[in-house]
Amino acid sequence: LAKTTQPISMDSYEGQEVNITCSHNNIATNDYITWYQQFPSQGPRFIIQGYKTKVTNEVASLFIPADRKSSTLSLPRVSLSDTAVYYCLAGRIDMRFGAGTRLTVKP
Amino acid sequence: KAGVTQTPRYLIKTRGQQVTLSCSPISGHRSVSWYQQTPGQGLQFLFEYFSETQRNKGNFPGRFSGRQFSNSRSEMNVSTLELGDSALYLCASSSTPQKSQRNYEQYFGPGTRLTVT
Repeated sequence: LAKTTQPISMDSYEGQEVNITCSHNNIATNDYITWYQQFPSQGPRFIIQGYKTKVTNEVASLFIPADRKSSTLSLPRVSLSDTAVYYCLAGRIDMRFGAGTRLTVKP
Repeated sequence: KAGVTQTPRYLIKTRGQQVTLSCSPISGHRSVSWYQQTPGQGLQFLFEYFSETQRNKGNFPGRFSGRQFSNSRSEMNVSTLELGDSALYLCASSSTPQKSQRNYEQYFGPGTRLTVT
């Protein structure tokens, strides 16, 4: 599992677009990139997964450049309920979630 | 389709006691993984079961054990509880084992909050 680096925390305001970038310099050729969201006292929730270029679902978009050494989770028009910790994983889940990015959305 | 369920949701135990936590995976899922989450250590992997066999194990002492039944339900047991075992214990299920495929996904339950006093 490739080591990932992401910001510890981010602040945003309601209605804004939030982009959280994750660095995974040692990602293996076959590894996918997966993002999870976790609210306090709940289990992480799968948000989105991708291998290259762009993936979009009803919740978020995931941008992966050609070299795949980083990825950006994009949350459009965030609301207060998007306040959570976001985890980036590169590769199959294998014990290490990392500290994640604590996103705080303000009114 | 019902999600992953964990029981109990909250538990208070005393040092030295033992505890058993239960996890029912999503219907059809045969892989169950357990994690411990604490403010200091974050989310740490305990072990994974697939088809009643432990396939993967994290770096935890032998006081932490688990098992999986033929219906894929899983239990984890912690013996001789210590104060440091206070944590949110999360269970996650998947249709395939960890490391089995590139686009692996797993789905977490709400967790069991264990407090050791």
